[in-house]
Amino acid sequence: DIVMTQSPDSLAVSLGERATINCKSSQTLLYSSNNKNFLAWYQQKPGQPPKLLFYWASTRASGVPDRFSGSASGTDFTLTVSSLQAEDVAVYYCQQYYSTPWTFGQGTKVEIK
Amino acid sequence: EVRLVESGGGLVQPGGSLRLSCIVSGFTFSDNYMDWVRQAPGKGLEWVGHSQNKANGYITQYAASVQGRFTISRDDAKKSLYLQMDSLKTEDTAVYYCVRPHTWTGAFDIWGQGTVVTVSS
Repeated sequence: DIVMTQSPDSLAVSLGERATINCKSSQTLLYSSNNKNFLAWYQQKPGQPPKLLFYWASTRASGVPDRFSGSASGTDFTLTVSSLQAEDVAVYYCQQYYSTPWTFGQGTKVEIK
Repeated sequence: EVRLVESGGGLVQPGGSLRLSCIVSGFTFSDNYMDWVRQAPGKGLEWVGHSQNKANGYITQYAASVQGRFTISRDDAKKSLYLQMDSLKTEDTAVYYCVRPHTWTGAFDIWGQGTVVTVSS
């Protein structure tokens, strides 16, 4: 199984400041046939189901504000919030859909400092 | 509007059974793979399993933690997905989400609100 490891487990960021979440996969998520990383990011607010933020590591889902960005370098993936807003308080998960069983990172809780 | 609505959760004793349902609307259910994802109280997300579509022979796959105890099925005519859970354990206590992976990307783009399953004596 592919192991997804997120860091940090939690972080507190001041309003308007940058938040960065890392995710590392235990093996490649890059499909050579289309040169895409099969990595997604989700945001989950309390009492709600997760919401898709990014697919293919860096393609923003519909309606996601452009202060959110995703990037990839080998088996390392990053979710960045360029200017944290109050509504961004949530738990963020990465997930690989390269091979079953699909696996998630343990989650990163983002709070306001 | 695309919607996934789960039902069937509740309290069940260890060793018991429960059947969850997910009724969908707003998209062509029969074309889609469909998944179940669960979340234990205060914990992260865990993929449970999925049903592939008719074109792929309705193949099902499961997480090792539920293999042999849980069964996923679907009724395309009723636009419904099911999760039959047998030999339930206390560690199966969770919110169970019905999820649609996007046809092209495979990422989980549509989630239901979830149904709560509690396994306790």
